[in-house]
Amino acid sequence: KAGVTQTPRYLIKTRGQQVTLSCSPISGHRSVSWYQQTPGQGLQFLFEYFSETQRNKGNFPGRFSGRQFSNSRSEMNVSTLELGDSALYLCASSLAGGLRETQYFGPGTRLLVL
Amino acid sequence: GDSVTQMEGPVTLSEEAFLTINCTYTATGYPSLFWYVQYPGEGLQLLLKATKADDKGSNKGFEATYRKETTSFHLEKGSVQVSDSAVYFCALWFGGKLIFGQGTELSVKP
Repeated sequence: KAGVTQTPRYLIKTRGQQVTLSCSPISGHRSVSWYQQTPGQGLQFLFEYFSETQRNKGNFPGRFSGRQFSNSRSEMNVSTLELGDSALYLCASSLAGGLRETQYFGPGTRLLVL
Repeated sequence: GDSVTQMEGPVTLSEEAFLTINCTYTATGYPSLFWYVQYPGEGLQLLLKATKADDKGSNKGFEATYRKETTSFHLEKGSVQVSDSAVYFCALWFGGKLIFGQGTELSVKP
C-alpha cells in the first residue's frame, strides 16, 4: 500500500506571495492532519480534516487554511507569506483520527520564504 | 494544557551502548503515547506506540512502557547501531491532535 505523499517536496517563495501544498493520504484513510516543523518551535499542529470538514484547528493565524476533497486528498494554503513561515510542512493520515489510531506521516514539503 | 517534555540532546553514544531517552507528559485525560523517528531530510516514521497504562510498545529493538503513575514513556534500546542516528520525538495523542516533545538528536559513533 502506498504511503502518504506530499507535493511539491521543495518550494521557494517570496514574502507576500501565497502557496498551496498538497497531500494524498494512504488509501482508505479519511483523516488528514497538517503540522509545521521549525527549529525554534518544533512540531506544531495546524489542523485536521475528516470527511471534507475541518474537525480540529491549532493556534495559527487565519492566513493558514486548508481543505479536503471527497477522495480525502487535502490541500493547505498559506496566504501573504512571511519569512517566519519557512518550515517543513508535514501531512499525516489515519483511518478516522481516533484516539488509539496511528498517524502516518508523509515526507513533507520544505518551504523557504525569501 | 497537555504537553510533552523530552530530555535534551544531542546524545552521543558508541555503537552497542545502551540508550535511554526520557519522556514525561502532562495530560488531563488518558492519551495514547508514541515515539516517532526522523532521519535527515525525511518525514516522521512511527517507531512504537502504547494506548493504555502499562502497555509496552516495541519495535526494532526499541521499547517504551506507558507509566501512568509517573506520567512517563521513556525510550530504551539495549544496543544501538550507527543506523539508529536520527532525531527521536515523543508524542501524545489527545483532543484530536498529536502534541510533540522538542525532539532528541541521537548520534551513534562506530
